[in-house]
Amino acid sequence: QSALTQPPSASGSPGQSVTISCTGTSSDVGGYNYVSWYQQHPGKAPKLMIYEVSKRPSGVPDRFSGSKSGNTASLTVSGLQAEDEADYYCSSYAGSLFGGGTKLTVL
Amino acid sequence: QVQLVQSGAEVKKPGASVKVSCKASGYTFTGYYVHWVRQAPGQGLECMGWINPNSGGTNYAQKFQGRVTMTRDTSISTAYMELSRLRSDDTAMYYCARDWRRIAAGPDAFDIWGQGTMVTVSS
Repeated sequence: QSALTQPPSASGSPGQSVTISCTGTSSDVGGYNYVSWYQQHPGKAPKLMIYEVSKRPSGVPDRFSGSKSGNTASLTVSGLQAEDEADYYCSSYAGSLFGGGTKLTVL
Repeated sequence: QVQLVQSGAEVKKPGASVKVSCKASGYTFTGYYVHWVRQAPGQGLECMGWINPNSGGTNYAQKFQGRVTMTRDTSISTAYMELSRLRSDDTAMYYCARDWRRIAAGPDAFDIWGQGTMVTVSS
């Protein structure tokens, strides 16, 4: 299986919304509701932000939301804040596949 | 609190092996999968596989089969990942991570991460 496809970069101004896509196939993203998203700040371990497509772990702000349509999953960050600037990775198939990562810049 | 604490940084020569430990605390170690993920400098995340700490069963990513061995010692709530025949492109940060779901429900996503162990392979 190939890695999932994410745009290398995304950006938005404070208060705006930004959406990051994650494209796979019917054998991974499209075939299971097991898509997760991770946030990683420089020099830190990743942090789980979304699991099972759209569920948020306790403590994750509701500004973060997830969805899926066909073979593409999406992470939307609403009301962008400076601390949201980080790398974001999608994952599917019980963590066996990761996307290449998207660097989110808050302008 | 729930945490995973990994062993310290390692420097190895090509062809050698490295064994990284991951000690769990604050939860029932045998109740949750432990996954291993690595990240080369400036690169993305790469799944290496997982271990079921209850049964010892493992599932390795195809790329690492034959070179990786994941084990556990339930008496000290510790998981291990050993990678053999090291090459320069194995230089990376290695993370262990706990699955958020209990074992009976199958592996899913990783809610608790270790701090990472930097492994450098250099002659």
